Amino acid sequence: EDQVTQSPEALRLQEGESSSLNCSYTVSGLRGLFWYRQDPGKGPEFLFTLYSAGEEKEKERLKATLTKKESFLHITAPKPEDSATYLCAVRGTGNQFYFGTGTSLTVIP
Amino acid sequence: NAGVTQTPKFQVLKTGQSMTLQCAQDMNHNSMYWYRQDPGMGLRLIYYSASEGTTDKGEVPNGYNVSRLNKREFSLRLESAAPSQTSVYFCASSEPTTGDQPQHFGDGTRLSIL
Repeated sequence: EDQVTQSPEALRLQEGESSSLNCSYTVSGLRGLFWYRQDPGKGPEFLFTLYSAGEEKEKERLKATLTKKESFLHITAPKPEDSATYLCAVRGTGNQFYFGTGTSLTVIP
Repeated sequence: NAGVTQTPKFQVLKTGQSMTLQCAQDMNHNSMYWYRQDPGMGLRLIYYSASEGTTDKGEVPNGYNVSRLNKREFSLRLESAAPSQTSVYFCASSEPTTGDQPQHFGDGTRLSIL
């Protein structure tokens, strides 16, 4: 069964304190792993797609990496505006996407 | 460039009432999805439509029906609302022709059933 697990559930960082969020997955025939950012009262906003092990994507202070069993979202020198819930999702051979429950990130000034 | 538009944004219903949540996308995507999001449960798929004219059940379809009206529009109907259906509902669309295309989401409908 396709499954996604994210950790930690919540993370509090001081501004400038780098850290990583984890997304572990089991899926039949990975066709894509996706990272989203969700702000309160809003829908998930697409950040990255990763397709194959070893792939990396970067956007400002965020860098996503992928192995055969997990993905990491590295946050370098975070700012308060990076505070949000970060969601991970996978797509296997079907049309469905499977989401983790997210990591709630709070960056304290 | 609206993307995915959901209406209404908020709704309060009484138990047993019915209503339809509307979703429209302007990205010419073939696939559309309805999710519900509850605290600690993540996004759970209710129904999806892989292409115009097709619909399939997701993880939690009981108590819901859907209609893919045309390529742009996908509606979700609650025939007899129950308190357990209190949730935030999100519509999404994607282009499935290549596997690595992401879903694009609307901003949700916040539904309370009293």
